[in-house]
Amino acid sequence: ELKVEQNPLFLSMQEGKNYTIYCNYSTTSDRLYWYRQDPGKSLESLFVLLSNGAVKQEGRLMASLDTKARLSTLHITAAVHDLSATYFCAVVPNTGNQFYFGTGTSLTVIP
Amino acid sequence: EAEVAQSPRYKITEKSQAVAFWCDPISGHATLYWYRQILGQGPELLVQFQDESVVDDSQLPKDRFSAERLKGVDSTLKIQPAELGDSAMYLCASSSDLNYGYTFGSGTRLTVV
Repeated sequence: ELKVEQNPLFLSMQEGKNYTIYCNYSTTSDRLYWYRQDPGKSLESLFVLLSNGAVKQEGRLMASLDTKARLSTLHITAAVHDLSATYFCAVVPNTGNQFYFGTGTSLTVIP
Repeated sequence: EAEVAQSPRYKITEKSQAVAFWCDPISGHATLYWYRQILGQGPELLVQFQDESVVDDSQLPKDRFSAERLKGVDSTLKIQPAELGDSAMYLCASSSDLNYGYTFGSGTRLTVV
C-alpha cells in the first residue's frame, strides 16, 4: 500500500520563526506537489517538483525534493500569520498518474 | 484565470436520499478527478476520467456512488442512498498535464443528517 506521511501533523509557531514540514512517501516517484488549504476552502497549488534535487521558492516558502530518500520538505522562513493553513503534499507514482495525498500539516502562526 | 466550477457549494440531505454534484473542468483539460475529503484528512480519489472514459474507479463505492462524464466535458457524481458517513467535502479537479499538477474546484460540502 502506498503511503504518504507528513510530519508534524500539527504545528504551532511564533511569527518570525523558521520551521520545516516533512513529507515521506513509499513509492518511486519523481513528481511531488505541495498544496495549501484554508479552513472550509479548496486546495491551492503551491509548488510542483518534477526531479531529484528540485528546489522552488515563493515568498517565505521553499520546497525541495530528494527522490532517492523519497522525501520532500517545505521550509517556512520568518513565519507570518497569513501562512496559517493546512499544507498537503501529494505524490504521483512513476507507474501511474493519480495523486496520493499526505495526511496534511495544520500550521498555526501565533503573533 | 481559468477555474474548475463545482456546484452546489453546500448540500444538506437526509440519509437514504439521493444527492448529485456537478463539475465543469477547465476547458481543454482531458483528465478529470473526483476526490472525497473527510474533515481532518487528505483527499482520497474516488474516480478518474480521461475524456469520457473511466480510468480508475477502484475506490468508488459502486453500490451507492456513480459518476459520469458523458461528453468528456462536465461530470456528475451521484450518491444514492446517502449515508451519514458520506458527510465530507467532495472535490473535483482537472489536469491537462501532470507537469502542472491539478487545479481543484471550490468543492461541495455535503452534510448527511
